[in-house]
Amino acid sequence: AQTVTQSQPEMSVQEAETVTLSCTYDTSESDYYLFWYKQPPSRQMILVIRQEAYKQQNATENRFSVNFQKAAKSFSLKISDSQLGDAAMYFCAYRSAVRGGATNKLIFGTGTLLAVQP
Amino acid sequence: DAGVIQSPRHEVTEMGQEVTLRCKPISGHDYLFWYRQTMMRGLELLIYFNNNVPIDDSGMPEDRFSAKMPNASFSTLKIQPSEPRDSAVYFCASSYSRFGSYEQYFGPGTRLTVT
Repeated sequence: AQTVTQSQPEMSVQEAETVTLSCTYDTSESDYYLFWYKQPPSRQMILVIRQEAYKQQNATENRFSVNFQKAAKSFSLKISDSQLGDAAMYFCAYRSAVRGGATNKLIFGTGTLLAVQP
Repeated sequence: DAGVIQSPRHEVTEMGQEVTLRCKPISGHDYLFWYRQTMMRGLELLIYFNNNVPIDDSGMPEDRFSAKMPNASFSTLKIQPSEPRDSAVYFCASSYSRFGSYEQYFGPGTRLTVT
């Protein structure tokens, strides 16, 4: 079974600085997707960024980028120029890329609570 | 373009009562998921549907929980009878399989409190 581990329960960053959130996962599959979701106090789950395992290039969305190390099964999220609105719980998630069947569920890590200091 | 809609946003009920949570997925999406979020267990999948058919309900905690999807635009999650340990935030999410990415889009959640 696949597992996702986020070893940092809480992180803090100064406004305008850069922070990296860690995520590791365990799987025997070769093809899968990895996601970072943001959950602000409103509790809405917001998709931040997605990475396909078959792509070597790291995904980037504006100030958000990932460092995907497939061999190490590591998928960290870097937030550049942190803003107060980035304060939230961040979840790393795994999903198999096998079509259909019982493999479409997201497997979540336990989350990292990010505080942004003004 | 409306996102996933859930109702009610908050529900407070007494132990033993029936609770029904509702979800309207994004139009055109063919997958629908029900998740539960608690401090102790984090985010866990309860059940998901593909084209209105339940595919995996292995996460449903017990027989008190049931879910239906009578059509492509509506799903319910019912708890009968409810217990205090069912208190949690329940999320509905939907996704579209056509392009293979299966990104899931979440609703705002229903915060359930059972006293």
